[in-house]
Amino acid sequence: GQQLNQSPQSMFIQEGEDVSMNCTSSSIFNTWLWYKQDPGEGPVLLIALYKAGELTSNGRLTAQFGITRKDSFLNISASIPSDVGIYFCAGLYSSNTGKLIFGQGTTLQVKP
Amino acid sequence: DGGITQSPKYLFRKEGQNVTLSCEQNLNHDAMYWYRQDPGQGLRLIYYSQIVNDFQKGDIAEGYSVSREKKESFPLTVTSAQKNPTAFYLCASSSMSTSSTQYFGPGTRLTVL
Repeated sequence: GQQLNQSPQSMFIQEGEDVSMNCTSSSIFNTWLWYKQDPGEGPVLLIALYKAGELTSNGRLTAQFGITRKDSFLNISASIPSDVGIYFCAGLYSSNTGKLIFGQGTTLQVKP
Repeated sequence: DGGITQSPKYLFRKEGQNVTLSCEQNLNHDAMYWYRQDPGQGLRLIYYSQIVNDFQKGDIAEGYSVSREKKESFPLTVTSAQKNPTAFYLCASSSMSTSSTQYFGPGTRLTVL
């Protein structure tokens, strides 16, 4: 079945550092989404990517849709303590149903 | 305010009991989804519905049931047949015109005692 491999599984960084995480798939996706989840809350959409090669920013966050359509990465620049949380990638593999496949998540901890 | 609401936030049930989780949205979205999240894992799709009075099984539908009698509401029943029901349950919705962009509710944490 469809699978997304998200890495790294966890990161522990110093405030002010840049962060990079990525997702890869054996299948082609038409859409990539990146979400952030705070403990005990629902995921919040950060960035949506709809086109191969697309590079999109949202404040300190930048995400890219890989040219092969099988991968995506998310960068966070100049991390701050409120960046702490779990980051999920998700790929759309059925535009008819809107069904998404989610990565396993990257847990980010930021040391002040 | 527009959004998705789930209630209750925390739910406890005894083994052998059915329990229904509520999900309501006022975003005028056509599609709604239920996911299950276990500690340290990603989200797994239980059921989804693209239109009123119609729904489809996701990847882990066994032991769950849903209904979609109104566009705004998509309740999930966790039945006694679900072998390991303790989990965090998330509801999401999306517009069919941009079906990939799903927006999530705050979640319900179900604990079976």
